[in-house]
Amino acid sequence: EDQVTQSPEALRLQEGESSSLNCSYTVSGLRGLFWYRQDPGKGPEFLFTLYSAGEEKEKERLKATLTKKESFLHITAPKPEDSATYLCAALGSARQLTFGSGTQLTVLP
Amino acid sequence: DAGVTQSPTHLIKTRGQQVTLRCSPKSGHDTVSWYQQALGQGPQFIFQYYEEEERQRGNFPDRFSGHQFPNYSSELNVNALLLGDSALYLCASSSGWGDSPLHFGNGTRLTVT
Repeated sequence: EDQVTQSPEALRLQEGESSSLNCSYTVSGLRGLFWYRQDPGKGPEFLFTLYSAGEEKEKERLKATLTKKESFLHITAPKPEDSATYLCAALGSARQLTFGSGTQLTVLP
Repeated sequence: DAGVTQSPTHLIKTRGQQVTLRCSPKSGHDTVSWYQQALGQGPQFIFQYYEEEERQRGNFPDRFSGHQFPNYSSELNVNALLLGDSALYLCASSSGWGDSPLHFGNGTRLTVT
């Protein structure tokens, strides 16, 4: 059974304080690793797809990386508007997207 | 360009009743997936429709059923509602039955009393 575990569950940062979110996955035949951002009362918003170990993607203050067992979402010099829940999801050979429980990020001004 | 739209946004039902939720995919998308998200949890896969057929199904009972129409829109039906069915129901669309990223709507908040 495919499993995705995210840590930490919650993270509070001061504005400008860089950090990383972790996503560990156990998936049969990884076809893609996805990162989403979810704001309260909204649906998840797509951020990145990573397909193979060693791949990196960047968007503004966010950078996602992938190894054979984990993915990291690095947040550089975050701003209060980066506060949200960040979800990681893995697509395996069964073609069912399995989500982690998310990391709730709060960036304080 | 309209994104994924879902209706209604909120719904309150009584235990034992039946409910139908609706979804229109993003323009250009032909595949629709449904997810259930409990409070504080990640979305859980219910099923996926492509070319009007259910292609994949998650670990949900037969009380959960769906349909996809020729215009790619979709419905999620839940029969014999239980208190535990209270959740945010998310619809997501994508292009083709492959590995492209899902685009989500803002969901329907279902409360079962």
